[in-house]
Amino acid sequence: DIVMTQSPDSLAVSLGERATINCKSSQSVLYSSNNKNYLAWYQQKPGQPPKLLIYWASTRESGVPDRFSGSGSGTDFTLTISSLQAEDVAVYYCQQYYTTIFTFGPGTKVDIK
Amino acid sequence: EVQLVESGGGLVQPGRSLRLSCAASGFTFDDYAMHWVRQAPGKGLEWVSGISWNSGRTGYADSVKGRFTISRDNAKNSLYLQMNSLRAEDTALYYCAKGAYSSTWLIAFDIWGQGTMVTVSS
Repeated sequence: DIVMTQSPDSLAVSLGERATINCKSSQSVLYSSNNKNYLAWYQQKPGQPPKLLIYWASTRESGVPDRFSGSGSGTDFTLTISSLQAEDVAVYYCQQYYTTIFTFGPGTKVDIK
Repeated sequence: EVQLVESGGGLVQPGRSLRLSCAASGFTFDDYAMHWVRQAPGKGLEWVSGISWNSGRTGYADSVKGRFTISRDNAKNSLYLQMNSLRAEDTALYYCAKGAYSSTWLIAFDIWGQGTMVTVSS
């Protein structure tokens, strides 16, 4: 199974500042046949189900603010919140869907400094 | 409105069984793969099981393989998870989730239900 790791475990960022979350997979999630990275990012606020933010590593889901962006390829990926807003306080998870065992990362908690 | 509503959770003794259901509405259910994802109290997300749009393909996490069975009834727009030989470590909020693209197995999950809580305890 592909193991997903995330760093940091948590971070606190001032309002309006940039937040960066890293995700690493134990093997590449890039399919050479279509050049797509099978990597998604989710946001989970307290008491709510997860919400899809980014898929194919960098494609923003419809309705997701453009301050959220995803980058990376192969085994190393990044979720960036360019200007943190109060409503962005949440836990963020990466997930690979390269194989049938759809593994998630352990999550990164984002708070306001 | 696209919606997933889980039901069937509750308190169950170790070794017993439970069947979860997920009622889908607002989209063409039989076009999409569906999944169960669980979250133990205060913990992260764990994919449990998935099933393709035509039930031709299923998958299970190692932690539940041989104990849990996923199924769907496209005529009833419903997804199920039969959970046997339950253990304390199966205690979690169980979410139903939809694949984001039609007729695609390896894809992210774009719609999630609110979850149903399963507690395994004597």
